[in-house]
Amino acid sequence: QSVVTQPPSASGTPGQRVTISCSGSNSNIGGNYVHWYQQLSGTAPKLLIFKNTQRPSGVPDRFSGSKSGSSASLAISGLRSEDEADYYCATWDDSLNVGVFGGGTKLTVL
Amino acid sequence: EVQLVESGGGLVQPGGSLRLACAASGFTFSSYWMSWVRQAPGKGLEWVANIKQDGHGAYYLDSLEGRFTISRDNTNNSLYLQMHSLKAEDTAVYYCARAFPASAWPFDYWGQGALVTVSS
Repeated sequence: QSVVTQPPSASGTPGQRVTISCSGSNSNIGGNYVHWYQQLSGTAPKLLIFKNTQRPSGVPDRFSGSKSGSSASLAISGLRSEDEADYYCATWDDSLNVGVFGGGTKLTVL
Repeated sequence: EVQLVESGGGLVQPGGSLRLACAASGFTFSSYWMSWVRQAPGKGLEWVANIKQDGHGAYYLDSLEGRFTISRDNTNNSLYLQMHSLKAEDTAVYYCARAFPASAWPFDYWGQGALVTVSS
């Protein structure tokens, strides 16, 4: 059981905007950066968003991140079939003194 | 181009040992913290261990109870994970991951993973 919580699933149709939430506490999200990873089926995780809102080079601007208090969100606009993947939030936990991942959200493009 | 290539995975009996290796290329290996992260079948990601740039400092998931040892060879740009007293719950894909510059967390590049199956 992770200390940061994500919904297990999300879905949307092509072209839609979907958001995935990540909820934690003051000891993790509330006081630290949040990062997001995309994991396509059978592949390694790929960094999608770092330090709450920043995109590595090569990541489309359809992907955006935000953070407010002890929660964070990943938004995907103009949803495409190739966005179907598992998405994980990640942050540092000051109480555990380790990096922690959310449980992951499986995004289905209908 | 940054590349991380794991090797050494396989089937091992409960109580057995296994050593994973990760060959790094495309960056100055000795300048980065490195980690192992695992993913049990159908489950999420779990950080396992990390090691400082010079190898003098390593940290582990508490629940491992001292069974795993992370090490590195900066001359040969390689990262290792020695695993002993393996249990069924250690079955997972093990990823080698590079941390952000001058930081132990988070990770910007990952290898393709090595599957470790612990079963009789």
